[in-house]
Amino acid sequence: GNSVTQMEGPVTLSEEAFLTINCTYTATGYPSLFWYVQYPGEGLQLLLKATKADDKGSNKGFEATYRKETTSFHLEKGSVQVSDSAVYFCALSANFGNEKLTFGTGTRLTIIP
Amino acid sequence: NAGVTQTPKFQVLKTGQSMTLQCAQDMNHEYMSWYRQDPGMGLRLIHYSVGAGITDQGEVPNGYNVSRSTTEDFPLRLLSAAPSQTSVYFCASKRQGGEKLFFGSGTQLSVL
Repeated sequence: GNSVTQMEGPVTLSEEAFLTINCTYTATGYPSLFWYVQYPGEGLQLLLKATKADDKGSNKGFEATYRKETTSFHLEKGSVQVSDSAVYFCALSANFGNEKLTFGTGTRLTIIP
Repeated sequence: NAGVTQTPKFQVLKTGQSMTLQCAQDMNHEYMSWYRQDPGMGLRLIHYSVGAGITDQGEVPNGYNVSRSTTEDFPLRLLSAAPSQTSVYFCASKRQGGEKLFFGSGTQLSVL
């Protein structure tokens, strides 16, 4: 079956540090890959996505590249801010029409000033 | 825009009680779904619907019922609550064939 494995958290960084959150996946075919973010007390929001190999998704300074050869979709940001503190979820959709998402366990990120 | 609205935000139940978690969306989305979020397990799909009158099971459907009588509403029913159903529940919707899921703000449920 499909699965997503995320870097264990929590992760604590100082403001302006470089961020990497690792994500690898197992899926048949050619899945679409997503990063969702959950701010405290809120539901999840789509952060970025990539739908085919070598695509790079980007938003709000975050980037992730779809690497089929390593089945990975690592999230990166060059300089984090306190406002980036949240829980980040990697997810995939492997079926036509993207009806079902498979989520990773989430990584809690805390940025300290 | 209200988006996806879930009620209640918090609920405490006793084992064996029943209740309905409400979910409504005002974006005319065909697809709606329910997830539960548990520590260390991420989000798991409970039930989903691709349109009024059509529902299907997700990864963890046992103990939950759903129906979809209108495009806007997708309630989740717990017929006999169990402590294992203590969780945070999220409703999400999207347009058919779309890639972006829109989430509600969640319902925190405790079953004693």
